[in-house]
Amino acid sequence: AQKVTQAQTEISVVEKEDVTLDCVYETRDTTYYLFWYKQPPSGELVFLIRRNSFDEQNEISGRYSWNFQKSTSSFNFTITASQVVDSAVYFCALSGAITGGGNKLTFGTGTQLKVEL
Amino acid sequence: SAVISQKPSRDICQRGTSLTIQCQVDSQVTMMFWYRQQPGQSLTLIATANQGSEATYESGFVIDKFPISRPNLTFSTLTVSNMSPEDSSIYLCSATSLSSYNEQFFGPGTRLTVL
Repeated sequence: AQKVTQAQTEISVVEKEDVTLDCVYETRDTTYYLFWYKQPPSGELVFLIRRNSFDEQNEISGRYSWNFQKSTSSFNFTITASQVVDSAVYFCALSGAITGGGNKLTFGTGTQLKVEL
Repeated sequence: SAVISQKPSRDICQRGTSLTIQCQVDSQVTMMFWYRQQPGQSLTLIATANQGSEATYESGFVIDKFPISRPNLTFSTLTVSNMSPEDSSIYLCSATSLSSYNEQFFGPGTRLTVL
């Protein structure tokens, strides 16, 4: 069975602070995919990143960066110089290989990020 | 990426009635899914919508309660049957595109309130 744990229920920061959202996963698959989604107050889910299990390189996209560490089964997400518009719920998710049940996503419970002025 | 639309965007329904939610994708996709997000909770997969055949349901979800159709590659419906207040949730449709396997996009969701 797959499991995703986001231990941080809610984080509050002041604008321009850096913030890291933690994600720990469990899977028996050797091939799997990890995702981060953003859900602003309007409710839609915004895709942020997908990472496959064979690619442990960290990724940076503007103020966003992701740290994938297979050794600790973690896929953490850092926002640098946070802004009020970053306020949202962030979900980490996991799926197995395409042939192993397809793209069904297992979501973590989400982290509510509040960025204040 | 695929653009996904859902209708209705929100509805308020009476106990015991049924509501059908439509999901339309703007391009051919391989797989379509329906998720439920109860208030303040994470997303839970209801079922995989299979084209031209019965949907594949996850544990805890049954066809009689959540009948699903997928008549073609770009369209699916989810019906929430015999509703009760516990069915009040956001229902989201998602899809993976032919050009981007395992990259899953979501519709804007249908916010359902059952009185």
